[in-house]
Amino acid sequence: AAGVIQSPRHLIKEKRETATLKCYPIPRHDTVYWYQQGPGQDPQFLISFYEKMQSDKGSIPDRFSAQQFSDYHSELNMSSLELGDSALYFCASSSPGQGNTEAFFGQGTRLTVV
Amino acid sequence: EDKVVQSPLSLVVHEGDTVTLNCSYEVTNFRSLLWYKQEKKAPTFLFMLTSSGIEKKSGRLSSILDKKELFSILNITATQTGDSAVYLCAVVYNNNDMRFGAGTRLTVKP
Repeated sequence: AAGVIQSPRHLIKEKRETATLKCYPIPRHDTVYWYQQGPGQDPQFLISFYEKMQSDKGSIPDRFSAQQFSDYHSELNMSSLELGDSALYFCASSSPGQGNTEAFFGQGTRLTVV
Repeated sequence: EDKVVQSPLSLVVHEGDTVTLNCSYEVTNFRSLLWYKQEKKAPTFLFMLTSSGIEKKSGRLSSILDKKELFSILNITATQTGDSAVYLCAVVYNNNDMRFGAGTRLTVKP
């Protein structure tokens, strides 16, 4: 079965650079969630989208922005990267519209800022 | 292909029941297995398991790992309505790669 696809899997950037992470949800899933997981920490909720509109906002820094496109894929844009942005970034998708509220996680993008 | 499979996908019980959630995995260079509880926005950590046969316990929750048969179970005894959540299993492998299972949705009815 198709799963949530995230790209790239690994990314190395320098301080003050920008990065774009992509998430392709499971087909027919209309909701996407972004999480940031630092070393030894719980995933922290960043932002979510439902039907291409922002549905909820968590601890997403102002330097980050995200959007969901017409094909339901989502991109997380990160600017002015800082060393502390180094983390695993997970995307999850779900389809509340179908009564299924499990969130299926992607494999994550490991961002390293040097 | 690396994979993490949780079962059942959904479970409905009554308060006081005991439940067992399963997580099986096939990954290269296994490092650890983590259990999370997701109620609202983000998963919260429950247990990290790295060694076979050693039970971890926290209140009514306990978990154990079998590295030979490649699975872990999460037990919840005397369930309460507050235990209703999605329980996620995640496996850390290779050089800190991490893969989540699809989760088990537990509903505890009064």
